[in-house]
Parts: sequence; structure tokens; C-alpha cells
Amino acid sequence: AQSVAQPEDQVNVAEGNPLTVKCTYSVSGNPYLFWYVQYPNRGLQFLLKYITGDNLVKGSYGFEAEFNKSQTSFHLKKPSALVSDSALYFCAVRDTGGYNKLIFGAGTRLAVHP
Amino acid sequence: EPEVTQTPSHQVTQMGQEVILRCVPISNHLYFYWYRQILGQKVEFLVSFYNNEISEKSEIFDDQFSVERPDGSNFTLKIRSTKLEDSAMYFCASSENGRGNTEAFFGQGTRLTVV
Repeated sequence: AQSVAQPEDQVNVAEGNPLTVKCTYSVSGNPYLFWYVQYPNRGLQFLLKYITGDNLVKGSYGFEAEFNKSQTSFHLKKPSALVSDSALYFCAVRDTGGYNKLIFGAGTRLAVHP
Repeated sequence: EPEVTQTPSHQVTQMGQEVILRCVPISNHLYFYWYRQILGQKVEFLVSFYNNEISEKSEIFDDQFSVERPDGSNFTLKIRSTKLEDSAMYFCASSENGRGNTEAFFGQGTRLTVV
């Protein structure tokens, strides 16, 4: 069965420092991986996806993610964090065994301190 | 930019009552989904809908739940007899197609509180 793990409940970063939010996955076949962000009292906003090709994927708001097949990871990164990046981040994988529903990780709360 | 819209943003209902959560997906999208997020827990898939029928449902989506696309724009989730454990944030999503490489776009959610 497809699954996603986000090993950190919370990540704390100082503004201006680089940030990494970790995600590992378990799928059969080639993975389709996604990152979504949830701001307080808002829905899930799509950030970026990995389908195939370059292992470094660029997305919205300066975020990028690095796909690593050997480590089955898809970590979200940003070179310089902003206070406004503080939110809940979800990694997700497509369940290609069914009708392509998304399977989400538990989420990681990112707190960026001034 | 087109977006998925959901109404109401917050619904409080008494246990045993029926609720209908409404969604307007992005207009050219063909696949529709409902997910839910119980407070503090992960986002869980409920059901997917295509071509006016359910294409997949989770074990959560029992006989108390139903979905409908009553017209060309709305997509609804009905819970016939709500239970306390149905309290959650419910998200509607839509995607342009059903291919695995296509992202889904989510609404802002409806917070359902069952008392």
C-alpha cells in the first residue's frame, strides 16, 4: 500500500535561514509526489509536484523539493525562510493503484521566528 | 485564478441531524473529491466522483454518506444522521483529469461541528 511519512511534527527556523521539511514515501512503481500548504483557517494550497525528470522541482513562493529515489524521500526546501511561511505542510502521494486519490502524511508545522 | 469554493465555512449541527456540505469545483474540472481532517489528524480521503458516479470510496464513507452533482456546477456531500465523530474539517477538491500526475485543487473547507 502507498504511504507517506513526515517524521517531524514541527520544524522551527529563524527567518532568513534555509528550511527543510522532510517526507519519505512508500509506493509500488513510480511515485507521483505533491506538497501542499495549509495556512490557518484556509484550505490546502498546492505548492509543487514531482512526476518525472529533474530531481529538483521548483514550486510556488520560492519553495523547491528534492526527489531522491534511493532514499525514497521528497524533502521540501527553501533557501531563505520568511515569517509568512509559517503554516502546516503536507506531503502527499498519488495512489496509482486506485483512482488516483491523494494519500497524505500527518503534516509538519513550520514555525519561522523573526 | 479559478478556485474551488465551499459553503458554509462553518456548520454546527445536532447529533442525528442531516447536513449537506456544498462545493463548486473549478469549472473545467472533471474529477471531484471529498476529504476530511479531524482536528489534529491527517487529511483522509473520503470519496472520488467522475462522470456522475462514485469512482472510489474509503471505508469511512459508509451508508450515512452520499455525494451528488445536482447540476452542472455544484458537488455536495450529505451526511444523513450525524455523529459526534463526524466533527471535522471537510475539504472538497477537483482536478482537471484523473491522471496521477495531475494536481488536485482544494477548497477552503467546511468545519463541521456535531454537538
